[in-house]
Amino acid sequence: RKEVEQDPGPFNVPEGATVAFNCTYSNSASQSFFWYRQDCRKEPKLLMSVYSSGNEDGRFTAQLNRASQYISLLIRDSKLSDSATYLCVVNPNSGGSNYKLTFGKGTLLTVNP
Amino acid sequence: DADVTQTPRNRITKTGKRIMLECSQTKGHDRMYWYRQDPGLGLRLIYYSFDVKDINKGEISDGYSVSRQAQAKFSLSLESAIPNQTALYFCATSDGGQGVGETQYFGPGTRLLVL
Repeated sequence: RKEVEQDPGPFNVPEGATVAFNCTYSNSASQSFFWYRQDCRKEPKLLMSVYSSGNEDGRFTAQLNRASQYISLLIRDSKLSDSATYLCVVNPNSGGSNYKLTFGKGTLLTVNP
Repeated sequence: DADVTQTPRNRITKTGKRIMLECSQTKGHDRMYWYRQDPGLGLRLIYYSFDVKDINKGEISDGYSVSRQAQAKFSLSLESAIPNQTALYFCATSDGGQGVGETQYFGPGTRLLVL
């Protein structure tokens, strides 16, 4: 299994739709999980961290399943401005001086009018 | 003003030339990173530095070198550029994070084309 694996898409959805992205990771000792958003030809930016209990930020909900080594991102009521590439990001180490992030290749979302 | 800046933003060079990409940050972070992004391959870590005296190789450091001139500055050099180093290069910083882990803040990127 690759360190961090995502469905590359593309996902094409109409405005108002609900869309879900999945991500799997290989290292069961991974401690921290994130979703980043990257607009076309721009830099990645943190969208949200993913907590063990799951967390929600407006229309966005992130879930973590440690047993299955699986992370998800749900976007409700999609907006045109949600069109971007969504990167699943994992810290594969337990912290300290080896703290680095591993990025998935990203899932491309296009929201259509 | 942007917290993380990169210069140049775009560069075209020829095979064999030496190139330096520069990164500056005003966030006061100790940790800095260099990544490259290629279509279909995602972001890959080239080098990282946790403070001025700490430099570490990432997963694809061959053909690259770095210099951490100050807390705020981290430069990436290609000593002898080759065409497969054509990519989008990002610098990032972080404060190491607390609790749920660090957030990395990225510069706007440098598009490099090696002919």
